[in-house]
Amino acid sequence: DGGITQSPKYLFRKEGQNVTLSCEQNLNHDAMYWYRQDPGQGLRLIYYSQIVNDFQKGDIAEGYSVSREKKESFPLTVTSAQKNPTAFYLCASSGTGGGGNQPQHFGDGTRLSIL
Amino acid sequence: KNEVEQSPQNLTAQEGEFITINCSYSVGISALHWLQQHPGGGIVSLFMLSSGKKKHGRLIATINIQEKHSSLHITASHPRDSAVYICAVKAAGNKLTFGGGTRVLVKP
Repeated sequence: DGGITQSPKYLFRKEGQNVTLSCEQNLNHDAMYWYRQDPGQGLRLIYYSQIVNDFQKGDIAEGYSVSREKKESFPLTVTSAQKNPTAFYLCASSGTGGGGNQPQHFGDGTRLSIL
Repeated sequence: KNEVEQSPQNLTAQEGEFITINCSYSVGISALHWLQQHPGGGIVSLFMLSSGKKKHGRLIATINIQEKHSSLHITASHPRDSAVYICAVKAAGNKLTFGGGTRVLVKP
């Protein structure tokens, strides 16, 4: 079945470490997104990519980095510069036709915690 | 003030009751999404609408563009409807702006 796979489901990081969250989609979508969700708050956009080899910062990009070398993959690295990385991270993808009004499909998320 | 406001933040209903969740936004939009987030965290897209009304099973979504307001209704609610319901709007570009969510608990 087509969908978005995020791994791992739970991730622990030591202080000062970089960690990479995986996001893979087999929906043939051009656009992919990374969101952060904190308790009681709405999702906030970290980075997004409209096409392979191109990506843009979202509202809270500081302390994060991404790459988009393949259409189906959009990994997110949480660097040691991110001072408060404990959160739930969601990846999404969408088509880019229809004037941009395409639904976003979400993964099941990765919960990152600091040891 | 957030661009997308949802009310109520929390809602408890008895099985069978009619539920309404509201979403107000302050910017011009091209589309509005209703999403459902289950306790495990995964999110499912319920509706995307830019005008009028859509229905899927027991769920109905309406939008009033002039009043910048949308509602999500659940008819004959069931415990399996317990989830967080999220409103999101698409303004300029392809980015979504999300509301804070409404936590719904349906008791048997």
